[in-house]
Amino acid sequence: GNSVTQMEGPVTLSEEAFLTINCTYTATGYPSLFWYVQYPGEGLQLLLKATKADDKGSNKGFEATYRKETTSFHLEKGSVQVSDSAVYFCALSGGSGGSNYKLTFGKGTLLTVNP
Amino acid sequence: EAGVTQSPTHLIKTRGQQATLRCSPISGHTSVYWYQQALGLGLQFLLWYDEGEERNRGNFPPRFSGRQFPNYSSELNVNALELEDSALYLCASSLLSVGNTIYFGEGSWLTVV
Repeated sequence: GNSVTQMEGPVTLSEEAFLTINCTYTATGYPSLFWYVQYPGEGLQLLLKATKADDKGSNKGFEATYRKETTSFHLEKGSVQVSDSAVYFCALSGGSGGSNYKLTFGKGTLLTVNP
Repeated sequence: EAGVTQSPTHLIKTRGQQATLRCSPISGHTSVYWYQQALGLGLQFLLWYDEGEERNRGNFPPRFSGRQFPNYSSELNVNALELEDSALYLCASSLLSVGNTIYFGEGSWLTVV
C-alpha cells in the first residue's frame, strides 16, 4: 500500500535560515503529492500540491518538486520566519494501489523558528 | 465560500459514554473523510464517505462508526469511549476525483475522562 516517510523533527532554525524537510513516498502508479501545515491548536491547511512528475508546487515562499525518479517531494523555503513555526505533514493520494482517494500522511515534522 | 465546518469544537465525555461529532463539507463536495490525531500518533485515517456510502475504513474497532446524510454532511460516532480515544478528530472533504485536493476543518477535540 501507499506510505509516506518524512524527516522527523523537531527542527529548530533561526529566522531567515534555509529550510528543507525531506519527504519520500512509496506508491504504485502516479499519486498526487501534498504538503499540509498545522499551526498550534488549529486544523490542517493545504500548503502546496503537485499532481504529476516534475511539477513544482509553491505557496508563501515554500516550494516542493515532485521527483518520480527519487520518489521524493522535499519541502524548501529560502528564508523562514517566526510565523512559519508549525507542524508540516507530507501526504499523498491516488496511485494505483488500495484506496485512491484518501490521503496517506507522514508522521509530521515540528518546525520552530527562533527570532 | 464556507470551508469545512465541525462541531463541537471541544467535547468532554466520561469513559463508557458515546460521543457524536458533526461535519459539514464544502459546498459541492460529495466526499467526507474522518481522521484521528492522537498525541504522538500522527494522523490516522478513520472513515471515508461518498454519496452516502461508506467507501473505506481505517484500522479502528467497530465502535467507531459514522454516516453521511443526503446533504453530504456527516457524523462520527464513538461508542463505549476509552481514555485513549482522547484526540483531535479532523473532518475533511473533497470532490470525488483521484488526486483531488482534500480540505480540512478545524477539528473537534474529544477528551475522555
